[in-house]
Amino acid sequence: QQPVQSPQAVILREGEDAVINCSSSKALYSVHWYRQKHGEAPVFLMILLKGGEQKGHEKISASFNEKKQQSSLYLTASQLSYSGTYFCGTVLFYGQNFVFGPGTRLSVLP
Amino acid sequence: EAGVTQSPTHLIKTRGQQATLRCSPISGHTSVYWYQQALGLGLQFLLWYDEGEERNRGNFPPRFSGRQFPNYSSELNVNALELEDSALYLCASSLGDRDKPQHFGDGTRLSIL
Repeated sequence: QQPVQSPQAVILREGEDAVINCSSSKALYSVHWYRQKHGEAPVFLMILLKGGEQKGHEKISASFNEKKQQSSLYLTASQLSYSGTYFCGTVLFYGQNFVFGPGTRLSVLP
Repeated sequence: EAGVTQSPTHLIKTRGQQATLRCSPISGHTSVYWYQQALGLGLQFLLWYDEGEERNRGNFPPRFSGRQFPNYSSELNVNALELEDSALYLCASSLGDRDKPQHFGDGTRLSIL
């Protein structure tokens, strides 16, 4: 069951903020966030477990709303280096499979 | 600490041939994941191995198979290659629990002529 990501793509100016959402129709055990820059391998950003905790990584943070089965990734004061495709990956509460979402392409312009 | 290494970097085959891709995980990692990423598209889950066992496989035909060796390295085999198998194949390793981060290798670019 692939999670849904929104938006599909977003274009920002340096210093602007963005939010990327990841949602599932089934109960989630955990949500992972990765960033893949063009021509490179995906890089791990953070994992959120059920419990609604929020985590941070530099100016990037995320939350997990287990009631809504949704996670949001917050990019604050975006930098050029934030450009890339952001993937969420989900593990279902009653399943073993790890599934990536389709990705959100983020472009930060000077 | 050495990262995840994949070989070869590039592989060119023709339709009907067989391809073998290799992955060495980070030392201490027992889980290996394989993903297919077609050009410009997302990450499609292929296979998950942990402690030498296949734990799960994605929605791919049986001609995609693999194995994990006692040293936790892994092979992905693709038989009867088709044009649509052309893609970047990424391997990732983790400490085994599903709530542990996955660390990716640089991938093998498979091109089918």
